[in-house]
Amino acid sequence: TQLLEQSPQFLSIQEGENLTVYCNSSSVFSSLQWYRQEPGEGPVLLVTVVTGGEVKKLKRLTFQFGDARKDSSLHITAAQTGDTGLYLCAGTGGYNKLIFGAGTRLAVHP
Amino acid sequence: SAVISQKPSRDICQRGTSLTIQCQVDSQVTMMFWYRQQPGQSLTLIATANQGSEATYESGFVIDKFPISRPNLTFSTLTVSNMSPEDSSIYLCSPIFVARGSDTQYFGPGTRLTVL
Repeated sequence: TQLLEQSPQFLSIQEGENLTVYCNSSSVFSSLQWYRQEPGEGPVLLVTVVTGGEVKKLKRLTFQFGDARKDSSLHITAAQTGDTGLYLCAGTGGYNKLIFGAGTRLAVHP
Repeated sequence: SAVISQKPSRDICQRGTSLTIQCQVDSQVTMMFWYRQQPGQSLTLIATANQGSEATYESGFVIDKFPISRPNLTFSTLTVSNMSPEDSSIYLCSPIFVARGSDTQYFGPGTRLTVL
């Protein structure tokens, strides 16, 4: 069974701070996706990483896919209150099924 | 970006009743996934639906409880049958689009179900 361990589960920081969220697995994934979800809404896709070692940047967000395609990280620089939400990593397993991490609930305080 | 809509957006239901959730997308999809997200939790896959064949259910989910229909390439329904309070969750559809040629999945806005 493929599993994705996501950490930390909760993160409470002040505006302007940096943070990193990690997703780790013993399994290889063909791709890995990061989503952000706000209360009352479905997850919104932030990025898909496909190639081992790949780094993608989305404004203040930097996503990295491990060389072996077993792990990934999301780094946010100078967090803003608008970054508050639930961040989910999801790896693509067999038959295009997504295996989700437990999620990281981020709260950014002014 | 993809347009995915779900109906209803939320509902409050009585124990023992059933609710059918509709998922409509604006372009053809190859596969449709249905997920459940229990309060404060991450997403759990219920089943995978391909058009023209029966849905494939994950461990812990059965067709009698969560029947799925997929009559065409842009529409699918999930029914939550004989509901109990434990079924209170957000239910989300997630398609893979034919035109995009990748395995990236997008999500509908979800249906928030409360069972009393």
